[in-house]
Amino acid sequence: NAGVTQTPKFQVLKTGQSMTLQCAQDMNHEYMSWYRQDPGMGLRLIHYSVGAGITDQGEVPNGYNVSRSTTEDFPLRLLSAAPSQTSVYFCASSYRGLAGGQPYEQYFGPGTRLTVT
Amino acid sequence: GENVEQHPSTLSVQEGDSAVIKCTYSDSASNYFPWYKQELGKGPQLIIDIRSNVGEKKDQRIAVTLNKTAKHFSLHITETQPEDSAVYFCAGSQGSARQLTFGSGTQLTVLP
Repeated sequence: NAGVTQTPKFQVLKTGQSMTLQCAQDMNHEYMSWYRQDPGMGLRLIHYSVGAGITDQGEVPNGYNVSRSTTEDFPLRLLSAAPSQTSVYFCASSYRGLAGGQPYEQYFGPGTRLTVT
Repeated sequence: GENVEQHPSTLSVQEGDSAVIKCTYSDSASNYFPWYKQELGKGPQLIIDIRSNVGEKKDQRIAVTLNKTAKHFSLHITETQPEDSAVYFCAGSQGSARQLTFGSGTQLTVLP
């Protein structure tokens, strides 16, 4: 298994440009999510999905769109990039439900470092 | 919503010593608390987790304690080794929900 893969690893955008960050997993996980990581702030949840066709907002959804057409893929779209979106973006996935009374482990991808100038 | 605070932000210890990282949470409904280790240039990786019906959990040199009344939990690493050097994050969530709220992270440096 490749696990959770993310592309690209690095990206530089100009203000106002759009792009899609790709995330894919080959573990047949129902749950997928996107986080952004900023210095001194930990990771903050942007959007998540509990299965194909179902998405919901996290803590910081503004400026980002997502869709989930397949179990494997969960792309994150920036429609009009802003300097405030400069960050490292992580995708994560896991099974739904509980195992022995607690959630299944979330697996994180290697991240995409995005700079918006 | 949930708020998780983590201390200290940086921690240096001598190899072989113990390291302790502490977190507090605000939402009494939170009942699942994982700890993640993030090495440079990589995504976070789960190292240990605990549910609120358990006070302590150990896995070799790593242990987590939870005080539900005081709403704080701690990561303990004993006999630290240079490969333990990384950023550690605590997090909290409710039950089967995957919406984790993360602490701000602790940069642990183990000095040889």
